[in-house]
Amino acid sequence: SSELTQEPAVSVALGQTVRITCQGDSLRKYYANWYQQKPGQAPVVVIYGKDNRPSGIADRFSGSTSGNTASLTITGAQTEDEADYYCNSRDSTGNHWVFGGGTKVTVL
Amino acid sequence: QLQLQASGPGLVQPSETLSLTCTVSGASISSGIYYWGWFRQPPGKGLEWIGSIFYTGSASYNPSLESRVTISLDTSKNQFSLRLFSVTAADTALFYCARRKTGYQNPFDSWGQGALVTVSS
Repeated sequence: SSELTQEPAVSVALGQTVRITCQGDSLRKYYANWYQQKPGQAPVVVIYGKDNRPSGIADRFSGSTSGNTASLTITGAQTEDEADYYCNSRDSTGNHWVFGGGTKVTVL
Repeated sequence: QLQLQASGPGLVQPSETLSLTCTVSGASISSGIYYWGWFRQPPGKGLEWIGSIFYTGSASYNPSLESRVTISLDTSKNQFSLRLFSVTAADTALFYCARRKTGYQNPFDSWGQGALVTVSS
Protein backbone atom coordinates (compact mmCIF):
# COMPACT_ATOMS: atom_id res chain seq x y z
CA SER A 1 0.00 0.00 0.00
CA SER A 2 1.21 3.50 -0.74
CA GLU A 3 -1.19 5.40 1.47
CA LEU A 4 -0.55 7.29 4.67
CA THR A 5 -3.57 8.40 6.69
CA GLN A 6 -3.62 11.32 9.13
CA GLU A 7 -6.41 12.91 11.11
CA PRO A 8 -7.45 16.13 9.35
CA ALA A 9 -7.34 18.39 12.38
CA VAL A 10 -6.53 18.47 16.08
CA SER A 11 -6.55 21.19 18.68
CA VAL A 12 -4.50 21.60 21.83
CA ALA A 13 -4.54 24.05 24.71
CA LEU A 14 -1.49 26.25 25.06
CA GLY A 15 1.20 24.39 27.00
CA GLN A 16 -0.50 21.02 26.73
CA THR A 17 0.56 17.92 24.80
CA VAL A 18 -0.80 16.81 21.46
CA ARG A 19 -0.10 13.70 19.42
CA ILE A 20 -0.64 13.42 15.68
CA THR A 21 -0.77 10.00 14.07
CA CYS A 22 0.01 8.61 10.64
CA GLN A 23 -1.09 5.14 9.61
CA GLY A 24 0.13 3.08 6.72
CA ASP A 25 1.38 -0.39 5.88
CA SER A 26 4.76 0.90 4.73
CA LEU A 27 5.41 2.22 8.24
CA ARG A 28 6.00 -1.34 9.34
CA LYS A 29 9.20 -1.19 7.26
CA TYR A 30 10.14 2.48 7.06
CA TYR A 31 10.19 5.33 9.54
CA ALA A 32 8.16 8.46 8.95
CA ASN A 33 9.51 11.95 8.51
CA TRP A 34 7.39 14.83 9.77
CA TYR A 35 7.09 18.24 8.14
CA GLN A 36 5.63 21.42 9.56
CA GLN A 37 4.13 23.90 7.10
CA LYS A 38 2.89 27.35 8.04
CA PRO A 39 0.73 29.43 5.68
CA GLY A 40 2.67 30.79 2.74
CA GLN A 41 5.83 28.93 3.69
CA ALA A 42 7.69 25.89 2.45
CA PRO A 43 7.63 22.73 4.56
CA VAL A 44 10.21 22.33 7.30
CA VAL A 45 11.24 18.93 8.63
CA VAL A 46 10.75 18.65 12.39
CA ILE A 47 11.35 14.93 12.94
CA TYR A 48 13.01 12.32 10.74
CA GLY A 49 13.90 8.70 11.08
CA LYS A 50 13.37 6.92 14.36
CA ASP A 51 13.20 10.14 16.42
CA ASN A 52 15.71 12.67 15.11
CA ARG A 53 15.35 16.42 15.29
CA PRO A 54 17.21 18.67 12.85
CA SER A 55 19.32 21.43 14.28
CA GLY A 56 17.14 24.32 15.37
CA ILE A 57 13.98 22.32 16.00
CA ALA A 58 12.63 22.61 19.53
CA ASP A 59 12.97 19.56 21.75
CA ARG A 60 9.24 19.62 22.46
CA PHE A 61 8.86 17.76 19.14
CA SER A 62 9.35 14.00 19.26
CA GLY A 63 8.49 11.00 17.13
CA SER A 64 7.68 7.35 17.66
CA THR A 65 6.42 4.33 15.75
CA SER A 66 4.36 1.33 16.76
CA GLY A 67 3.34 -1.23 14.17
CA ASN A 68 1.81 0.59 11.22
CA THR A 69 1.40 3.89 13.08
CA ALA A 70 3.87 6.74 13.38
CA SER A 71 3.25 9.55 15.82
CA LEU A 72 4.45 13.11 16.23
CA THR A 73 4.13 14.49 19.75
CA ILE A 74 4.36 18.13 20.72
CA THR A 75 4.93 18.37 24.46
CA GLY A 76 4.01 21.80 25.75
CA ALA A 77 2.54 23.23 22.56
CA GLN A 78 3.27 26.87 21.80
CA THR A 79 1.36 29.34 19.64
CA GLU A 80 4.09 29.14 17.01
CA ASP A 81 3.40 25.42 16.62
CA GLU A 82 0.06 26.15 14.96
CA ALA A 83 0.56 24.78 11.45
CA ASP A 84 -0.15 21.91 9.10
CA TYR A 85 1.87 18.77 9.75
CA TYR A 86 2.57 16.13 7.14
CA CYS A 87 3.98 12.67 7.60
CA ASN A 88 6.13 11.30 4.81
CA SER A 89 7.71 7.95 4.19
CA ARG A 90 8.60 5.51 1.50
CA ASP A 91 5.91 3.39 -0.10
CA SER A 92 5.88 -0.38 0.30
CA THR A 93 8.31 -0.83 -2.60
CA GLY A 94 10.79 1.53 -0.95
CA ASN A 95 11.35 3.30 -4.24
CA HIS A 96 8.89 6.17 -3.93
CA TRP A 97 7.93 8.78 -1.38
CA VAL A 98 4.39 9.31 -0.13
CA PHE A 99 2.76 11.90 2.09
CA GLY A 100 -0.13 11.76 4.48
CA GLY A 101 -2.99 14.13 3.85
CA GLY A 102 -1.83 16.49 6.58
CA THR A 103 -3.09 17.45 10.03
CA LYS A 104 -3.99 21.01 10.94
CA VAL A 105 -2.92 21.75 14.48
CA THR A 106 -4.68 24.58 16.28
CA VAL A 107 -3.28 25.90 19.56
CA LEU A 108 -6.06 27.30 21.73
CA GLN B 1 24.22 28.64 2.59
CA LEU B 2 22.10 26.39 0.41
CA GLN B 3 19.36 28.03 -1.60
CA LEU B 4 16.93 26.54 -4.09
CA GLN B 5 14.78 28.68 -6.36
CA ALA B 6 12.07 27.28 -8.60
CA SER B 7 11.19 29.33 -11.65
CA GLY B 8 9.15 29.06 -14.80
CA PRO B 9 5.97 30.23 -16.50
CA GLY B 10 3.16 30.94 -14.10
CA LEU B 11 0.48 30.10 -16.66
CA VAL B 12 0.31 27.05 -18.88
CA GLN B 13 -2.34 26.13 -21.43
CA PRO B 14 -4.25 22.88 -21.00
CA SER B 15 -2.68 19.99 -22.93
CA GLU B 16 0.65 21.82 -23.05
CA THR B 17 3.88 21.05 -21.18
CA LEU B 18 4.70 22.57 -17.82
CA SER B 19 8.42 23.32 -17.47
CA LEU B 20 10.14 24.45 -14.29
CA THR B 21 13.75 24.90 -13.33
CA CYS B 22 15.30 24.79 -9.89
CA THR B 23 18.47 26.83 -9.54
CA VAL B 24 20.73 25.65 -6.73
CA SER B 25 23.29 27.80 -4.96
CA GLY B 26 25.51 26.80 -2.07
CA ALA B 27 25.84 23.19 -3.16
CA SER B 28 26.72 21.31 -6.31
CA ILE B 29 24.04 19.17 -7.93
CA SER B 30 26.93 17.04 -9.16
CA SER B 31 27.73 16.05 -5.60
CA GLY B 32 27.27 12.39 -4.96
CA ILE B 33 25.73 12.99 -1.55
CA TYR B 34 22.41 14.59 -2.51
CA TYR B 35 19.16 13.75 -4.21
CA TRP B 36 17.15 16.54 -5.80
CA GLY B 37 13.37 16.42 -5.80
CA TRP B 38 10.20 18.05 -7.05
CA PHE B 39 6.94 18.33 -5.14
CA ARG B 40 3.63 20.01 -5.69
CA GLN B 41 0.77 21.32 -3.59
CA PRO B 42 -2.57 22.23 -5.16
CA PRO B 43 -4.17 25.30 -3.59
CA GLY B 44 -5.53 24.41 -0.16
CA LYS B 45 -4.44 20.79 -0.44
CA GLY B 46 -1.61 18.55 0.68
CA LEU B 47 1.89 17.79 -0.52
CA GLU B 48 2.70 15.34 -3.29
CA TRP B 49 6.10 13.99 -4.28
CA ILE B 50 6.59 14.20 -8.04
CA GLY B 51 10.03 12.64 -8.37
CA SER B 52 13.71 12.75 -7.50
CA ILE B 53 16.99 12.64 -9.36
CA PHE B 54 20.56 11.74 -8.41
CA TYR B 55 23.71 13.29 -9.82
CA THR B 56 24.12 10.30 -12.12
CA GLY B 57 20.89 11.29 -13.84
CA SER B 58 19.02 8.35 -12.41
CA ALA B 59 15.47 9.43 -11.58
CA SER B 60 12.46 7.96 -9.83
CA TYR B 61 8.91 9.18 -10.25
CA ASN B 62 5.56 9.07 -8.53
CA PRO B 63 3.76 6.15 -10.20
CA SER B 64 0.65 8.29 -10.61
CA LEU B 65 2.59 10.79 -12.72
CA GLU B 66 5.33 8.66 -14.24
CA SER B 67 3.82 8.56 -17.72
CA ARG B 68 3.77 12.38 -17.92
CA VAL B 69 6.89 13.57 -16.11
CA THR B 70 10.60 13.95 -16.73
CA ILE B 71 13.22 15.31 -14.32
CA SER B 72 16.66 16.18 -15.63
CA LEU B 73 19.93 17.83 -14.58
CA ASP B 74 21.94 20.66 -16.10
CA THR B 75 25.23 20.45 -14.25
CA SER B 76 26.75 23.34 -16.22
CA LYS B 77 24.16 25.67 -14.73
CA ASN B 78 23.77 23.85 -11.40
CA GLN B 79 20.08 23.41 -12.13
CA PHE B 80 17.58 20.59 -12.31
CA SER B 81 14.34 20.70 -14.21
CA LEU B 82 10.83 19.33 -14.27
CA ARG B 83 8.69 18.73 -17.31
CA LEU B 84 5.06 17.68 -16.90
CA PHE B 85 3.29 16.84 -20.12
CA SER B 86 -0.34 17.11 -21.19
CA VAL B 87 -1.39 19.22 -18.23
CA THR B 88 -4.95 19.85 -17.11
CA ALA B 89 -6.50 22.18 -14.57
CA ALA B 90 -5.88 19.47 -11.97
CA ASP B 91 -2.14 20.15 -12.32
CA THR B 92 -2.53 23.71 -11.01
CA ALA B 93 -0.31 23.85 -7.95
CA LEU B 94 2.55 25.41 -6.05
CA PHE B 95 5.65 23.50 -7.14
CA TYR B 96 8.59 23.07 -4.79
CA CYS B 97 12.11 21.85 -5.37
CA ALA B 98 14.08 20.36 -2.50
CA ARG B 99 17.19 18.45 -1.54
CA ARG B 100 17.91 15.42 0.61
CA LYS B 101 21.16 13.81 1.58
CA THR B 102 21.81 10.22 0.63
CA GLY B 103 20.99 7.77 3.37
CA TYR B 104 17.81 5.80 3.30
CA GLN B 105 15.89 7.69 5.93
CA ASN B 106 17.19 11.20 5.37
CA PRO B 107 14.38 13.68 4.69
CA PHE B 108 14.16 16.49 2.18
CA ASP B 109 15.67 19.07 4.49
CA SER B 110 16.14 22.09 2.24
CA TRP B 111 13.26 23.50 0.22
CA GLY B 112 12.84 26.36 -2.18
CA GLN B 113 9.98 28.81 -1.75
CA GLY B 114 7.87 27.37 -4.51
CA ALA B 115 6.57 28.46 -7.89
CA LEU B 116 2.86 28.75 -8.57
CA VAL B 117 1.72 27.33 -11.88
CA THR B 118 -1.83 27.76 -13.10
CA VAL B 119 -3.18 25.63 -15.91
CA SER B 120 -5.83 27.59 -17.74
CA SER B 121 -6.78 28.77 -21.18
